[in-house]
Amino acid sequence: GENVEQHPSTLSVQEGDSAVIKCTYSDSASNYFPWYKQELGKGPQLIIDIRSNVGEKKDQRIAVTLNKTAKHFSLHITETQPEDSAVYFCAANSPKNYGGSQGNLIFGKGTKLSVKP
Amino acid sequence: NAGVTQTPKFQVLKTGQSMTLQCAQDMNHNSMYWYRQDPGMGLRLIYYSASEGTTDKGEVPNGYNVSRLNKREFSLRLESAAPSQTSVYFCASSRTGPNTGELFFGEGSRLTVL
Repeated sequence: GENVEQHPSTLSVQEGDSAVIKCTYSDSASNYFPWYKQELGKGPQLIIDIRSNVGEKKDQRIAVTLNKTAKHFSLHITETQPEDSAVYFCAANSPKNYGGSQGNLIFGKGTKLSVKP
Repeated sequence: NAGVTQTPKFQVLKTGQSMTLQCAQDMNHNSMYWYRQDPGMGLRLIYYSASEGTTDKGEVPNGYNVSRLNKREFSLRLESAAPSQTSVYFCASSRTGPNTGELFFGEGSRLTVL
C-alpha cells in the first residue's frame, strides 16, 4: 500500500524567510496530494492541494510542487509570519484500500513549523 | 455553521471500560471518517463511511466499532479500552469520496486510558 514520508519533522525559520516541507510517496497510482495545517488544539485544515495532472499550484504565499517521476511533492511558504506556526501534514491518496470499497488518504507524520518574530 | 462537532472533548477511562465518541456534521456530506493521532505518527484512519449505511475498515480498526447512525452522525465505540488506545481522535467528513475531496475535521477528542 501507499507510504508517505515527510521531512523535516521540525523546522524553525525567522519571520519573512521561506519554509519548505518535502514529502515522498510510494504508490505511482496516487493522483491527489493535499496539505493540511493543524494549529494547537484544533483539527487539521486543508490549505492547498494538487492533482497529478499539474506540476505546481499557488495560492498567495503558499505553493505546492509535484514531481510524479520522482514521486515527491513539496510545500513552499514564502514571507513567513508568526501565524504560520503550526504542524503541517502532507497526504497522498491510496487507490488501493484496506478491504473497503474505496481508497483513502495516507498522511505523513507531520512537520512542526515555528516562525520566530 | 458548526461544521463537524465531536463529543466529548476529553475523557479518562480505566482499562476494560467502554465508551462511545460521537460525531455529527451539518454540511450534508456523504463521507465520514474516524482518525487517531499519536505523537510522531501523523493521522491514521480507523474506520470510514463512504455513504449512509456503509462502513469500512481503515488502517487501524482493531479494538473499535463504528455506526453510521444517519447521514449526519458517525460514532466510534471502544468496547474494552486498552492503554494503547490513549490518543487524540478526530472525526472528519467530506462531500465527495475520500480520495478526491477536502476533509473537514472536528476539534478532536482526547482520550486517556489508565
